[in-house]
Amino acid sequence: GENVEQHPSTLSVQEGDSAVIKCTYSDSASNYFPWYKQELGKGPQLIIDIRSNVGEKKDQRIAVTLNKTAKHFSLHITETQPEDSAVYFCAASIGDNDMRFGAGTRLTVKP
Amino acid sequence: DTAVSQTPKYLVTQMGNDKSIKCEQNLGHDTMYWYKQDSKKFLKIMFSYNNKELIINETVPNRFSPKSPDKAHLNLHINSLELGDSAVYFCASSQGSYTGELFFGEGSRLTVL
Repeated sequence: GENVEQHPSTLSVQEGDSAVIKCTYSDSASNYFPWYKQELGKGPQLIIDIRSNVGEKKDQRIAVTLNKTAKHFSLHITETQPEDSAVYFCAASIGDNDMRFGAGTRLTVKP
Repeated sequence: DTAVSQTPKYLVTQMGNDKSIKCEQNLGHDTMYWYKQDSKKFLKIMFSYNNKELIINETVPNRFSPKSPDKAHLNLHINSLELGDSAVYFCASSQGSYTGELFFGEGSRLTVL
């Protein structure tokens, strides 16, 4: 099955700086790569996703890049704000019946 | 107007007891899931149901039994609770399976003493 590795496990940045979280996946058949944000005491919530036919996608301050050859994808958050502090999960799925999550990155944005 | 709601939010119980967690979604989705999140925040799929039929059943002890009375509900019953069952359990739903957004509930924190 698919295996997803996520780094770093914790990340601390100053408000206004950028944050980058990286994931690698093992199965070249993976074709859908979502990112979820989990705030304290809440369930994960989708913030951005990318499919394998696209190399980059942006939504305001967040962007995701995908390198299918190297089998890795990254989340970029620019101009970080304290409310960006949360645990972020990447995931990779192959078709309908298999999606694996990374282990999560705890992002802290210091005011 | 919660999309995916699960109850109870907190559950504290003794080893050996049997407990249930209920989940309902009002999004009209046809696929529902149960995930377990351990103390290190790792999210692991337990079960997936599509239109009341079991699709995914990971290597979960048979003390865990999901039940889907209709496609809007997926309940989780756990028999003979063990200390290692302590975790946060998340219900989720999606339209179709793993090709689009998962909508998660707020979680049910189970503590086994």
